[in-house]
Amino acid sequence: KAGVTQTPRYLIKTRGQQVTLSCSPISGHRSVSWYQQTPGQGLQFLFEYFSETQRNKGNFPGRFSGRQFSNSRSEMNVSTLELGDSALYLCASSLFTSGSSYNEQFFGPGTRLTVL
Amino acid sequence: AQSVTQPDIHITVSEGASLELRCNYSYGATPYLFWYVQSPGQGLQLLLKYFSGDTLVQGIKGFEAEFKRSQSSFNLRKPSVHWSDAAEYFCAVGDNAGNNRKLIWGLGTSLAVNP
Repeated sequence: KAGVTQTPRYLIKTRGQQVTLSCSPISGHRSVSWYQQTPGQGLQFLFEYFSETQRNKGNFPGRFSGRQFSNSRSEMNVSTLELGDSALYLCASSLFTSGSSYNEQFFGPGTRLTVL
Repeated sequence: AQSVTQPDIHITVSEGASLELRCNYSYGATPYLFWYVQSPGQGLQLLLKYFSGDTLVQGIKGFEAEFKRSQSSFNLRKPSVHWSDAAEYFCAVGDNAGNNRKLIWGLGTSLAVNP
């Protein structure tokens, strides 16, 4: 099976612009989560999508948004970019089953966003 | 609030030496615990996980970890380190309360391996 893919791998934007990142999960995985990784804050959860619905959201401002399509592919958007948004954005996919089990998350290589 | 602490920011070991990376967590319910490794320019790869049962879990690449509820710890170990083990290691707790599914991460431990 192909792994999680993220495009683009690298992006350079300027303050005030907006950006859209894309994530294609492993075939058959219906849950997609997004994380922001920075040297100072480490890995922080942005949001999770399942069946085109946002199931959970982290503590990020409304400038960060996402969506999921019927084929489980997901996009995240950051509007009005700030310097502090420079980070590695990681996408992870997992099978999603109800109940108490926690499905393993498989990560993509990330998109490195630099805001100038 | 749930949290994960990795007390060691950087660790340097010699190739062939043993390794232990520390992880402490704060979580009210039964934790789902994970260790991930991240090599430069790469995504995160799962080394091992603990959900329940045997508190000593085996992972890939010769790693193991032991869950100690009394100490709220989930330390990662390897008996003999290889140069290719140099990477960033992250401990995480899976928060699965209700529909609240997310991973809570430690800040990571950077491992350097001397030849």
